[in-house]
Amino acid sequence: ETGVTQTPRHLVMGMTNKKSLKCEQHLGHNAMYWYKQSAKKPLELMFVYSLEERVENNSVPSRFSPECPNSSHLFLHLHTLQPEDSALYLCASSQTRTGGNSPLHFGNGTRLTVT
Amino acid sequence: TQLLEQSPQFLSIQEGENLTVYCNSSSVFSSLQWYRQEPGEGPVLLVTVVTGGEVKKLKRLTFQFGDARKDSSLHITAAQPGDTGLYLCAGPMNTGFQKLVFGTGTRLLVSP
Repeated sequence: ETGVTQTPRHLVMGMTNKKSLKCEQHLGHNAMYWYKQSAKKPLELMFVYSLEERVENNSVPSRFSPECPNSSHLFLHLHTLQPEDSALYLCASSQTRTGGNSPLHFGNGTRLTVT
Repeated sequence: TQLLEQSPQFLSIQEGENLTVYCNSSSVFSSLQWYRQEPGEGPVLLVTVVTGGEVKKLKRLTFQFGDARKDSSLHITAAQPGDTGLYLCAGPMNTGFQKLVFGTGTRLLVSP
């Protein structure tokens, strides 16, 4: 399997539930990202991990908790979410490169609905 | 804050028509990337433009980076239904780790 794989593709959860989103990349990249895509808003960067170290936390509420156990796997743990958190959550990876920006390789996303 | 505004927000055309999508900013970017996102999928990189005034072609798609590196355009010739999707421009932010700021997007629908 190649590319970036996200599971599940769809998730419906209540506000009191706890769930996790999973992302796996098979590209040998050393940076991984979580983005949130809501209707009528630009893609919002949530978290960045480089070599398993979190290098960016873009003022994301604590009800979202990322985990990067190794350079190929990334999780987003969710708890006590709000209806406005309903969105498409996209995982991406890239090869970091000093002095330049590498293109992102995205997964197909998890469509999250909070009821 | 570096922002990227795209226009139009939505475009519905017939197969065979030509169109241009714009990506504008008041900030200078070292490069800009264009992505296409099809329904139910994640964005896929189409091209990266690096040099001011640069023009790149990808089959029927022509990308141009403005001379001042503040804007970019995407022109599609003889659009086909397979071109349907959300077109996103993105540029690297000046601060922090390698991060991209994404534009507001142009949703294109090409009908047969």
